[in-house]
Amino acid sequence: QKEVEQDPGPLSVPEGAIVSLNCTYSNSAFQYFMWYRQYSRKGPELLMYTYSSGNKEDGRFTAQVDKSSKYISLFIRDSQPSDSATYLCAMSALRDDKIIFGKGTRLHILP
Amino acid sequence: GAGVSQTPSNKVTEKGKYVELRCDPISGHTALYWYRQSLGQGPEFLIYFQGTGAADDSGLPNDRFFAVRPEGSVSTLKIQRTERGDSAVYLCASSLTGGPYDEQFFGPGTRLTVL
Repeated sequence: QKEVEQDPGPLSVPEGAIVSLNCTYSNSAFQYFMWYRQYSRKGPELLMYTYSSGNKEDGRFTAQVDKSSKYISLFIRDSQPSDSATYLCAMSALRDDKIIFGKGTRLHILP
Repeated sequence: GAGVSQTPSNKVTEKGKYVELRCDPISGHTALYWYRQSLGQGPEFLIYFQGTGAADDSGLPNDRFFAVRPEGSVSTLKIQRTERGDSAVYLCASSLTGGPYDEQFFGPGTRLTVL
């Protein structure tokens, strides 16, 4: 079993819809949770991060962490065609320098 | 300001050849990371530099892979006797001080193809 599991998609939704992206993980030492967005032929860019269980909101984006279930989510409200990209969940342990990434979910927002 | 830059953007080589991939981090960033991203996968950690020294090289797959950062700025990833399985995008990232809470900024990657 991989440390971080993420459905690769692709996921296609109409413009304006709410998008839900998810990851599960197995390592209970993970304490820092991130979502990266990666456009084609570009490097990943950090979208959101959180240290603890609960919700964190930033504009149209909400990150949710449930440590008891080892499950994290990213919600995108009022999705736009410019949101079309690959979304990577990522996590690290407190005393660790490396980030462990999921496979990434390819998201297509249809105009 | 300037972000992380990587050269070349694309590299095609033949099986068995030696290649060098270069990373220029953001000025002033002491931490530098190399990742490998295979098709359809997320980035996979290779090595982490803090200053000039490799603080964690646990992700290097075998002794054909080596990386240096002699002056604590530019880094070079070196791959000897390349194999077809080495084909991937090699990503470099840098952060101000390192550690799990410090944002890593990624470059666009070098796409390596081994024929």
